[in-house]
Amino acid sequence: DTAVSQTPKYLVTQMGNDKSIKCEQNLGHDTMYWYKQDSKKFLKIMFSYNNKELIINETVPNRFSPKSPDKAHLNLHINSLELGDSAVYFCASSQDLGEGYGYTFGSGTRLTVV
Amino acid sequence: GQNIDQPTEMTATEGAIVQINCTYQTSGFNGLFWYQQHAGEAPTFLSYNVLDGLEEKGRFSSFLSRSKGYSYLLLKELQMKDSASYLCAGYNQGGKLIFGQGTELSVKP
Repeated sequence: DTAVSQTPKYLVTQMGNDKSIKCEQNLGHDTMYWYKQDSKKFLKIMFSYNNKELIINETVPNRFSPKSPDKAHLNLHINSLELGDSAVYFCASSQDLGEGYGYTFGSGTRLTVV
Repeated sequence: GQNIDQPTEMTATEGAIVQINCTYQTSGFNGLFWYQQHAGEAPTFLSYNVLDGLEEKGRFSSFLSRSKGYSYLLLKELQMKDSASYLCAGYNQGGKLIFGQGTELSVKP
């Protein structure tokens, strides 16, 4: 069973379209995240939810809207896609960092806007 | 502010030892992570240091000096499969994991 699964793995779409990426974790973790990895390989946090509550919201255009229906799911909806949105989007989850196990990442969604 | 610096790329020979350095400035610092990321795959956890000193895990070791804002990842007995990107990440009390841009390690025969 995949611990953090996100779909789709690849997404090619035209500018101006609206698209969603889904993420589910079966680890029983309380916190979920969306990260964006650009072409220079920087992984940058976008959002974080803890038990369905938004706790981190970085400087992200409001075209990006996360939704967490329950603590096992965190979806990302993007409106009016732009060329600069092309990147790999990673979902991740974490429990208590006291044991130092960090985050578990999903396999990523490669979004290409044409 | 938050800033993580590491070399962009390194090359090493199979069987050798390589050290990847990372310097950080993270407000509310609460630990440092190293992740490995193979091309086209998800980052996977390697190590976590919150106290000063060396943590050893098989062929991989990680060191932290909080006073110097410095960490390194040491890889011994390099194998071809160790060719990957190695990401240094600082964890702050705000619950954020701040990543550096990663060090692309190429292991040559």
